[in-house]
Amino acid sequence: DAGVIQSPRHEVTEMGQEVTLRCKPISGHNSLFWYRQTMMRGLELLIYFNNNVPIDDSGMPEDRFSAKMPNASFSTLKIQPSEPRDSAVYFCASSLGSSSYEQYFGPGTRLTVT
Amino acid sequence: SQKIEQNSEALNIQEGKTATLTCNYTNYSPAYLQWYRQDPGRGPVFLLLIRENEKEKRKERLKVTFDTTLKQSLFHITASQPADSATYLCAPLARGNYGQNFVFGPGTRLSVLP
Repeated sequence: DAGVIQSPRHEVTEMGQEVTLRCKPISGHNSLFWYRQTMMRGLELLIYFNNNVPIDDSGMPEDRFSAKMPNASFSTLKIQPSEPRDSAVYFCASSLGSSSYEQYFGPGTRLTVT
Repeated sequence: SQKIEQNSEALNIQEGKTATLTCNYTNYSPAYLQWYRQDPGRGPVFLLLIRENEKEKRKERLKVTFDTTLKQSLFHITASQPADSATYLCAPLARGNYGQNFVFGPGTRLSVLP
């Protein structure tokens, strides 16, 4: 079992550029989550999908952030345009769904916006 | 608003001793409470889930208690080892509204000294 896969692992970009983070959840998992982690704010939930449908995006900080899940094995988180305050580690996690609260996290993408 | 506090940001203990980490929450009534471990540069890893009707749960050297009256969970690691050094996150989960439930505490960084 490969676990949750995220790419890239590190991303350095300039302010104003578009950034796309990618996630492949564990096969058979119905729920997918995007989190952001910073020293100041800790681990924050951005958006949650169930069966590929976005259920709650109230954690998305602003319209510059968008997420998609075109199929059960792939999701993207896009930031356009990026700003220095978006610098953080972004995690993707998956779970079996509402029958299970156990989440499996990916290794994260460390984003630096200069 | 919901608030989760974990005891001191960092905790140092001697190898072989029992480490006790605290998770306090206010302004909601979780039905479950999870504990995760996070190593530097990695995503959180699920350790234990305890339900509101369970006073205590054990897994190998780990023990978790859940006191809904005190609004507190204690996480114990007995016979601690340097390999237990990591950051530990608690996540109290309210019943219903599955996706919105995943709010994590700020974490406690545990260092087990040889």
